[in-house]
Order: sequence, then structure tokens, then C-alpha cells
Amino acid sequence: DAGVIQSPRHEVTEMGQEVTLRCKPISGHDYLFWYRQTMMRGLELLIYFNNNVPIDDSGMPEDRFSAKMPNASFSTLKIQPSEPRDSAVYFCASSVLPGQGAWGSNEQFFGPGTRLTVL
Amino acid sequence: GQQLNQSPQSMFIQEGEDVSMNCTSSSIFNTWLWYKQDPGEGPVLLIALYKAGELTSNGRLTAQFGITRKDSFLNISASIPSDVGIYFCAGRDNYGQNFVFGPGTRLSVLP
Repeated sequence: DAGVIQSPRHEVTEMGQEVTLRCKPISGHDYLFWYRQTMMRGLELLIYFNNNVPIDDSGMPEDRFSAKMPNASFSTLKIQPSEPRDSAVYFCASSVLPGQGAWGSNEQFFGPGTRLTVL
Repeated sequence: GQQLNQSPQSMFIQEGEDVSMNCTSSSIFNTWLWYKQDPGEGPVLLIALYKAGELTSNGRLTAQFGITRKDSFLNISASIPSDVGIYFCAGRDNYGQNFVFGPGTRLSVLP
């Protein structure tokens, strides 16, 4: 398996522009997570999906952020309009559905990340 | 909310030395994960722990799930230059699917 795939790897945009980040999870994984990583705040969970349905979006910072998962193999994270403080590395991760009673079988596997710079 | 603390925040060691780092929580967790992140890359899973007291090894790495369920430890034996990176712990309780991540321990290995 190719692992979690993210695109683009780097994105530089100007304030006010729309940014769309893309993620392809590992085939067969039922959970998909979007994280943001900054020096100041570390890794922050933004939102996660189970079977393409958003389960917890309490980490999404503002209404400018939105995420979709139209099918099991694709998810997007959109920022509109973007601001300089959105500059960060955005990671996508996926995991399998834990088996019955097997709470430990859902380790998350991370993609390489998208480094976003908003000027 | 749940918070994880990692110590030390950073460490400089000589190649060949052993390394110890830990992760503590204010809450009880039922799963602990340890990740390593290289510059410009995503975190890579090193070790997963599922039971209190569990001791698990992966090559030169050994991790333990604390008896209190509020801490975990990672040891690296005979460090080598490629061990350089940031080590993150992550914990999950019985009620959530998502993990809480610690702030990381930055390891530097001097030749």
C-alpha cells in the first residue's frame, strides 16, 4: 500500500485566497483525521470522519475551515478565506475500524503533510 | 480537557548512549502510541501499547504502559544519528476514537 497520500506537499498563497488540501487514506481504513501542526501549538486534531461521516469537528478553528469526505478514498480540507495565521503543516491520518473489544487495533497512520504558507 | 506532558522537551546525547523519555497525563488512557517525526515528514508509528504494565520492544526501542494508566515511557538503546527527530506520545481513553498528542521530545544525537 502507498500509505496515506496528501497533495499538494507545499502550498503558498496570498491572504484571502481559497486553499484546498487533499487526502487519500489507506485503502480499507474507516477513519480519517485532519491535524494541524505548528511550533506554538503542536499537533491539533481538527476533525475526523468515520465511514465518510464527520464525527467530531470541535477542533475546526473557525467557519473559514470546512472538510468533506465524499467517498471512502478522498477527503478535502478547505480554508476560505485564508489568513497568515493559518500557516502550518496540515496532516491527514487514517486508521481501521477497531475489532470488537480490540480497542487497540486502530493506530493512526499519517500522511507526509501539506506545508501551507499564507502571505 | 485531556492534556499530555512530555519530558524532557529536548535532549542532546552522544551517539551510543541510551535515551529515556516519558509522557504523563491528567487522565487515564487505555491506549498509548509513540511516534517519531523526521523533519519535513509526517509522524511514523513506533510502538503501540494496550495494557497497563505492558512492555513492548521494537528493535532498539522499548516502551512501557504505566501501571497507573496515566503515563508511558520510551527508551532507546545505543542511539545512532538517525534517531534524531521529534518523539510524540499519544493517548486515547475508552470513550473516544481520536488520540491526544503530547508536545513532543526533540532528540539530537551528537557524533
